[in-house]
Amino acid sequence: NFMLTQPHSVSESPGKTVTISCTRSSGSIASNYVQWYQQRPGSSPTTVIYEDNQRPSGVPDRFSGSIDRSSNSASLTISGLKTEDEADYFCQSYDKSNRWVFGGGTKLTVL
Amino acid sequence: EVQLVESGGGVVQPGRSLRLSCTASGITFGDNAMSWVRQAPGKGLEWVGFIRNPRFGVTTEYAASVKDRFTISRDDSNSIAYLQMNNLKSEDTAVYYCTRDWNYYGSGSINWGQGTLVTVSS
Repeated sequence: NFMLTQPHSVSESPGKTVTISCTRSSGSIASNYVQWYQQRPGSSPTTVIYEDNQRPSGVPDRFSGSIDRSSNSASLTISGLKTEDEADYFCQSYDKSNRWVFGGGTKLTVL
Repeated sequence: EVQLVESGGGVVQPGRSLRLSCTASGITFGDNAMSWVRQAPGKGLEWVGFIRNPRFGVTTEYAASVKDRFTISRDDSNSIAYLQMNNLKSEDTAVYYCTRDWNYYGSGSINWGQGTLVTVSS
């Protein structure tokens, strides 16, 4: 099976833009859709991106998702950072048998 | 508004069984696959398994760590998904989240419950 690798942590200032990467170890990142989940401290996860780049209703358009075949990675970009965006972010995809794989998570600090 | 409410968590001894329930409201329950994801204390997210919608004959898939011990089922008439956990081990200690998938096939989550804590300890 493949792995999804995320940076352990990223930090940026309010109002800035941050990008979190999720690199697939084997097989094409484009083969299976990627989802992104946000988990604020003490809360359950919520979905911010599904199907590579789709936002659920209620998720602001400051959140966007993309995939890059050349680096075999997916990215979550958050623009106009707010302190409320401070959270753990997890990417997720699945293999050819539809078994899910999660990235290890990235802690975003907005300072 | 979509709501997923888990119940049934608690403290259980190793080797025993527990059944979790997930009651859904605000959705057409039978349209989507339903999944279970867990999170051990201080750790990341781990997929447990999913059950597809009836269009696919209610098929299931499981993570290797729980296969043959855990079983997911669904009661579409009452909008409930279940996670039957047998032969529990200490490493199954986690918060268990019920999720609704964004499609009928089981590719990823779009809605999450608040979670229920399962502690396996003697």
